[in-house]
Amino acid sequence: NAGVTQTPKFQVLKTGQSMTLQCAQDMNHEYMSWYRQDPGMGLRLIHYSVGAGITDQGEVPNGYNVSRSTTEDFPLRLLSAAPSQTSVYFCASSSYVAGGYGYTFGSGTRLTVV
Amino acid sequence: AQKVTQAQTEISVVEKEDVTLDCVYETRDTTYYLFWYKQPPSGELVFLIRRNSFDEQNEISGRYSWNFQKSTSSFNFTITASQVVDSAVYFCALSAPGGGSYIPTFGRGTSLIVHP
Repeated sequence: NAGVTQTPKFQVLKTGQSMTLQCAQDMNHEYMSWYRQDPGMGLRLIHYSVGAGITDQGEVPNGYNVSRSTTEDFPLRLLSAAPSQTSVYFCASSSYVAGGYGYTFGSGTRLTVV
Repeated sequence: AQKVTQAQTEISVVEKEDVTLDCVYETRDTTYYLFWYKQPPSGELVFLIRRNSFDEQNEISGRYSWNFQKSTSSFNFTITASQVVDSAVYFCALSAPGGGSYIPTFGRGTSLIVHP
């Protein structure tokens, strides 16, 4: 039972480069979301999905794209990396029925943009 | 709109002291869930507890206890006889339908440092 798997764990990008952070879950959860964590700011929601084919913006969506073609996968794309996107990124999933059981988080991706 | 406030940025205690982490939330929904997560120095986020808005019973799990009070919109977390291993950042979170289909909103976290 892998839970939520994020790859890569670490990444260094140059300004202007693009990349995709991968997130996969094997719990058949409908809800998936991406957060970024910055010092003193807690976890801020970037994008979320309530099911395959359905995505919506969170608090800080600019500079990021998502898609949800399958229940299992929810990749986060950085279109043109900027130093302000240096952060730790967490993917999470939950089930509507089990929504009260808490979100399961991946182990995080530490991204540095130089 | 929903909001979670953790007013304590950092708390420093000596081992065996009791410590309470405060969490105040705002939501217009009558059905909602509250959570606490722990983030140890290794960085992963560990789920600790969930409460729903209809269950105001306090809960105890070993040295951990949670006090949910709807009248004051608070969901405080107490660690009894703290230990060095309790050193971590603790996040309180709120999940409600008005916030985007139960997607949680997190507080900014409280860093707990337990000195030996």
